Amino acid sequence: DTAVSQTPKYLVTQMGNDKSIKCEQNLGHDTMYWYKQDSKKFLKIMFSYNNKELIINETVPNRFSPKSPDKAHLNLHINSLELGDSAVYFCASSQFPEAEQFFGPGTRLTVL
Amino acid sequence: QKEVEQDPGPLSVPEGAIVSLNCTYSNSAFQYFMWYRQYSRKGPELLMYTYSSGNKEDGRFTAQVDKSSKYISLFIRDSQPSDSATYLCAMNTRGSARQLTFGSGTQLTVLP
Repeated sequence: DTAVSQTPKYLVTQMGNDKSIKCEQNLGHDTMYWYKQDSKKFLKIMFSYNNKELIINETVPNRFSPKSPDKAHLNLHINSLELGDSAVYFCASSQFPEAEQFFGPGTRLTVL
Repeated sequence: QKEVEQDPGPLSVPEGAIVSLNCTYSNSAFQYFMWYRQYSRKGPELLMYTYSSGNKEDGRFTAQVDKSSKYISLFIRDSQPSDSATYLCAMNTRGSARQLTFGSGTQLTVLP
């Protein structure tokens, strides 16, 4: 009974391609997040949705577009992938924006 | 200067040792403080969550917050090889910003 799940776990693709990562949470939480973790393990928030509404949109290239079809899902679409996009992307959720966050297992993206 | 500073380590201790992990921060608006543990190739896992100055204990783990000094610590008693992981401090403001800011993580190895 996975709380926060992400697919795929690994993604290897060529520069210039478009790819999507999916996230689902079964915790009944209202808030979901996307984070990027670089090779030095630094976790940086990218987006946050509360009740399907975008509440945090950090300085992220326009090539990254989140989409929340419902409160339990938050997907991340990336256009025109670049080498620098290679990282681990984590989805997380919390009951409300100030509450503790629970993370998914991560999607390791490698752009060749 | 980063908002949250954390000694990256690596830190290596013998089994049974007391471990002290520390973070300092500069933003006095931070109100909520968390410690996450991240095993290699896994998502961060919440260990401790606190919002007041003082100590909070949970088993072998004690989280300490000193808001006047802008300093938080995580103590691990009787450390075990299974505690070997990267430990990330994180903090959150109250209000419209509400985004979790992470430290860069401390890599801990507990030697049997």
